[in-house]
Amino acid sequence: DAKTTQPTSMDCAEGRAANLPCNHSTISGNEYVYWYRQIHSQGPQYIIHGLKNNETNEMASLIITEDRKSSTLILPHATLRDTAVYYCIVRAADNSGGGADGLTFGKGTHLIIQP
Amino acid sequence: DGGITQSPKYLFRKEGQNVTLSCEQNLNHDAMYWYRQDPGQGLRLIYYSQIVNDFQKGDIAEGYSVSREKKESFPLTVTSAQKNPTAFYLCASSSYAGNTEAFFGQGTRLTVV
Repeated sequence: DAKTTQPTSMDCAEGRAANLPCNHSTISGNEYVYWYRQIHSQGPQYIIHGLKNNETNEMASLIITEDRKSSTLILPHATLRDTAVYYCIVRAADNSGGGADGLTFGKGTHLIIQP
Repeated sequence: DGGITQSPKYLFRKEGQNVTLSCEQNLNHDAMYWYRQDPGQGLRLIYYSQIVNDFQKGDIAEGYSVSREKKESFPLTVTSAQKNPTAFYLCASSSYAGNTEAFFGQGTRLTVV
């Protein structure tokens, strides 16, 4: 799986949009971008994933650049409960060594929502 | 309710003892995984299993063992050979196809004294 680079930490004011960047310049054509978050002492929670089109669900939006070398996770109206570590992961879509053999987690971005 | 369950949430053991962590899922997922997390760090893969009766070593398998006798169960044994076993252990499962999300349990915090 390709490596990702994320800022160590970010602050955001409650009620504002939180924009979390991720660089994945070595991403392959069959690799998806996944985002998970982990609230302290809990298991990671899936947020969203995408291949090349922008995606939106009830939790967040995912914007992937046209060259797919970077992406941004957007939490449109951040709340205090969104304080967590956010992980950006790239993962192959098929089972050729990248599908079901485990997600590779970096250290993620510690997002702190300020009241 | 469908989900993945780890037990217990907290576990204490004396040094030199083996200990087994439980992970059960009722999501009908083929793939299951064990991760270890140390304070301030990301998750590191210990073992994974893509199908019943088969499993593969991850990045840090030394000192650990697993079994996959049933689709819904993937227990992890932390052996006395693991030099630094105190950590937060997370189990996950996913469909075999790569384009699906993984579901995580709530973790077991193991403390060896």
